Amino acid sequence: AQTVTQSQPEMSVQEAETVTLSCTYDTSENNYYLFWYKQPPSRQMILVIRQEAYKQQNATENRFSVNFQKAAKSFSLKISDSQLGDTAMYFCAFMKRGGGSNYKLTFGKGTLLTVNP
Amino acid sequence: DTGVSQDPRHKITKRGQNVTFRCDPISEHNRLYWYRQTLGQGPEFLTYFQNEAQLEKSRLLSDRFSAERPKGSFSTLEIQRTEQGDSAMYLCASSFSLGLGEQFFGPGTRLTVL
Repeated sequence: AQTVTQSQPEMSVQEAETVTLSCTYDTSENNYYLFWYKQPPSRQMILVIRQEAYKQQNATENRFSVNFQKAAKSFSLKISDSQLGDTAMYFCAFMKRGGGSNYKLTFGKGTLLTVNP
Repeated sequence: DTGVSQDPRHKITKRGQNVTFRCDPISEHNRLYWYRQTLGQGPEFLTYFQNEAQLEKSRLLSDRFSAERPKGSFSTLEIQRTEQGDSAMYLCASSFSLGLGEQFFGPGTRLTVL
């Protein structure tokens, strides 16, 4: 079974600054996806960024980038130029790929990020 | 593409009553998932459909829970004889099997059992 650990229950950052959210995971699988999802207050969860485990290059989506360290089983999210709209709960999630996968997401407990003006 | 919708958004019920939730996935998505999220936790997987077939159920899904996806379109999640421990947000998500793994989430149904 896979586990996902987010060790920072809450974080805060000043508007326009950079913040990094941590995530570690445990798996014996070699073929998988990792995701960061964002859940704003009282709004639905949306995908922030995706990383395929076989790709060495770190994924980037505009102000969001990841630091994927496969050997260390670490998958951190960096948010640059933080904006007030980035205030949300952020979840790290794991999905097994390939044969026998049910494609379910295993989530961490989340990190509540507050961006201060 | 109107996104994943869920109905109702909120449900308050008394212990022992039955409740049913509905999820309408994105129309071309053949995979549908139910998750449960309690306060301060990440969502936990409950069950998964590919088209109309229910392919996996979590141990979290007791005998009081049943899910269906007739005709491979919308899905319903029924909880019989609700208990206070069933109070949670129930999230539905859908995805396309030829996609890149992304699941699209609905707004959730918040259940409160009194």
